[in-house]
Amino acid sequence: TQLLEQSPQFLSIQEGENLTVYCNSSSVFSSLQWYRQEPGEGPVLLVTVVTGGEVKKLKRLTFQFGDARKDSSLHITAAQPGDTGLYLCAGVGNEKLTFGTGTRLTIIP
Amino acid sequence: DAMVIQNPRYQVTQFGKPVTLSCSQTLNHNVMYWYQQKSSQAPKLLFHYYDKDFNNEADTPDNFQSRRPNTSFCFLDIRSPGLGDAAMYLCATTSRATDTQYFGPGTRLTVL
Repeated sequence: TQLLEQSPQFLSIQEGENLTVYCNSSSVFSSLQWYRQEPGEGPVLLVTVVTGGEVKKLKRLTFQFGDARKDSSLHITAAQPGDTGLYLCAGVGNEKLTFGTGTRLTIIP
Repeated sequence: DAMVIQNPRYQVTQFGKPVTLSCSQTLNHNVMYWYQQKSSQAPKLLFHYYDKDFNNEADTPDNFQSRRPNTSFCFLDIRSPGLGDAAMYLCATTSRATDTQYFGPGTRLTVL
């Protein structure tokens, strides 16, 4: 069974600080996705990374895919209250997603 | 415009009383998924359809069934809900050509 571990599980920081969330697996995935989910809503796709070593930026969010395509990180610069939510990484394979354990992020104004 | 619609958004049922959740999509996607998400946990895949081909996850209880009468609609039937089945149920779709899954807003199920 493929397993993606995210760390930290919970993170609460002040507005304006930087943070990094990690997603690690023992398995190789063809691609990896990051989602953000707000309370009472479904996950919304933020980014898909495909190539080992790939770095993608989405405004203040920077996503990196590990060289071996087993791990990924999400870095947020100058966090804002609107960044609050559950962040999920998901490995893609065989038309199925394997979700990570999730990181619940709270940004304190 | 909503692309993946789930009804109802909130559903309350009694222990053991069958319940059906519905999902519809306007994307004409071939693949539809049902996930169960419990509080503060990641979504867990229950099953998925590729067109009319049903694919059940090995650890999905028999209590959970699904129907897909056409491309646009998919239903989740819980035959005898238990207290442990209280969760958010998410529907998602994807086109075979891409790996992006589009999620609905979910149905939050409460079992009394």
